[in-house]
Amino acid sequence: EAGVTQFPSHSVIEKGQTVTLRCDPISGHDNLYWYRRVMGKEIKFLLHFVKESKQDESGMPNNRFLAERTGGTYSTLKVQPAELEDSGVYFCASSQGATPGQGRGTQYFGPGTRLTVL
Amino acid sequence: DQQVKQNSPSLSVQEGRISILNCDYTNSMFDYFLWYKKYPAEGPTFLISISSIKDKNEDGRFTVFLNKSAKHLSLHIVPSQPGDSAVYFCAARTDSWGKLQFGAGTQVVVTP
Repeated sequence: EAGVTQFPSHSVIEKGQTVTLRCDPISGHDNLYWYRRVMGKEIKFLLHFVKESKQDESGMPNNRFLAERTGGTYSTLKVQPAELEDSGVYFCASSQGATPGQGRGTQYFGPGTRLTVL
Repeated sequence: DQQVKQNSPSLSVQEGRISILNCDYTNSMFDYFLWYKKYPAEGPTFLISISSIKDKNEDGRFTVFLNKSAKHLSLHIVPSQPGDSAVYFCAARTDSWGKLQFGAGTQVVVTP
């Protein structure tokens, strides 16, 4: 079974440019999460999809970040325009279960996308 | 407001000895705790977890202890092996399918 995959693995862009990160969850996983780790600090939650719906986007830093999950499969996270403080490693995770009581699922993480904004 | 804290950024231990990693939390609504292990250039890998209704969970060389009154959990690795050298993250969540809140991680180095 394939794990969570993320593309690209690295991205270097200039301030003001746009970048789109992609995440393909484990097949059949309804829950998809985005996290970010900045400067070796803690991994911080960004948002959570259940299928194609945003369940929790309380961690999104501002409106320069836009996440989508078309058809409840893969997800994209767009940063537009990118700022210096957006640099970090963006992780995607997925887990099974879409309803309460079904969701004690472990979150499986992808390898991350390292974003550098110059 | 960081609700999960790992106050030791690094730990060095000899091969064969016990590694003890600590984690403190402030939110009494957390009902599930997890430990993840991370190698460089890879994503976090699930290691072991514990429900808030238990005080111990064991899986092979890894044991997690939970002290709810102290809002403290620890991960014991016995015996430590060179392949255990990695960053270990403590994480917690308040509901079954919600977000994880992570500590800052502890870098473990196992020396021969």
